[in-house]
Formats: sequence, C-alpha cells, structure tokens
Amino acid sequence: DGGITQSPKYLFRKEGQNVTLSCEQNLNHDAMYWYRQDPGQGLRLIYYSQIVNDFQKGDIAEGYSVSREKKESFPLTVTSAQKNPTAFYLCASSPRTGGLNYGYTFGSGTRLTVV
Amino acid sequence: SQQGEEDPQALSIQEGENATMNCSYKTSINNLQWYRQNSGRGLVHLILIRSNEREKHSGRLRVTLDTSKKSSSLLITASRAADTASYFCATGIGNQFYFGTGTSLTVIP
Repeated sequence: DGGITQSPKYLFRKEGQNVTLSCEQNLNHDAMYWYRQDPGQGLRLIYYSQIVNDFQKGDIAEGYSVSREKKESFPLTVTSAQKNPTAFYLCASSPRTGGLNYGYTFGSGTRLTVV
Repeated sequence: SQQGEEDPQALSIQEGENATMNCSYKTSINNLQWYRQNSGRGLVHLILIRSNEREKHSGRLRVTLDTSKKSSSLLITASRAADTASYFCATGIGNQFYFGTGTSLTVIP
C-alpha cells in the first residue's frame, strides 16, 4: 500500500543531543513537509521541500535541519539548538507544490520527548 | 495570521446527532481543506473546497465556504462514535496550507 512511514513512533532525546526523525513515502509525491504539533496548538510548518535537493524554511525552522537527497525521503534532524523540542512531529506529502489541488497525506507521527 | 480559527474548540454530542464546526480566516485563500486527527495519530484529509466553490459533499460530510464572510463550516450528519476526533481546517494561501488549532469532537454512544 502507498503511504508515508515515519519512524520511530516514540523518541527520547537527552539534553544537548541531536536526533533524526525519518520520513519515507512511496506515493511518488514531489512535495514533502515537516510540521510540529504542540498541545492546544495547530500544526506549525518547520521545513518543506518541493523537489529533490531543495528545501525551504517554514515558520519555525530554528533548531532544525533537513535534507532531500531522494524523492522518497525527507529526514528531519532536531539539533541541540532547539530549546524546546518536546512535541509531536508530523511529516506530510503532496503531489504538487503546495498541494493546491490535492490534500496532504500525513504519516502517523513521531512523539519526541526530552529526558 | 494566515491560519484559520475553528469554533467551537470542543463539541460533545450524542450518537446520531449532527455535528457542525466552523472555521474563520482573515486573508484571501486559494482553497480550504478539512482534516481529521484521531488521538496520537496523523491527520487524514477529508475534503478540499476551492475558493470558487460554495458547497461540497462527501458521504456524511458537507462543507460550505463563504468567501465574503471568510468562513467555512463542516457538517457531519448522523454522527457515530467513530467520528470522535479532532477536526482541523487548513487555509491554502500561496503555496502553503496553514492549519488551525482544531475542534475536538466527542460522540457519545
């Protein structure tokens, strides 16, 4: 079945440690996105990529980094510079840039906790 | 702010009743989408309505869009316990979608 796979489902990070969240899609979608969701808040865009080897900062990119070396993969690294990383992270994809005529397909999320 | 605001924040109804939630926004949009999120899971796309459309249906879902009032509504008819979830509107502006904070719907069996 086609879809988006995020891993791991749960991740624990120690202070000062970088961690990488995986996002893989087999939908042949061009665009991919990373969102952060905090309790009581909407989704906030961290980074997005419209094409391989290109990505753009979203509204809350500080303390995060991404790469897009393959169409299928868009990993997110949460660096030690992100002071409040505990959140639910969601990866999404769409067939075209911005998905203006398509809905986004979301993964099932990674819950990151700082310990 | 470019994101929509859902109203109410929380809604509790009996199974079989209809559920209506609203989304208001402040800027011109290209289109608007509604998503459902079950607790601890990713979002599931429900319906997309373009700025030149006024109403769309999908099964038990009915979405309206009033661009003059900058508002949209999602109606779920004959609700079921399985409809219990959070519902988000996402406003399409430029090449991005902006998500609201959601309406938490509880359907009591």
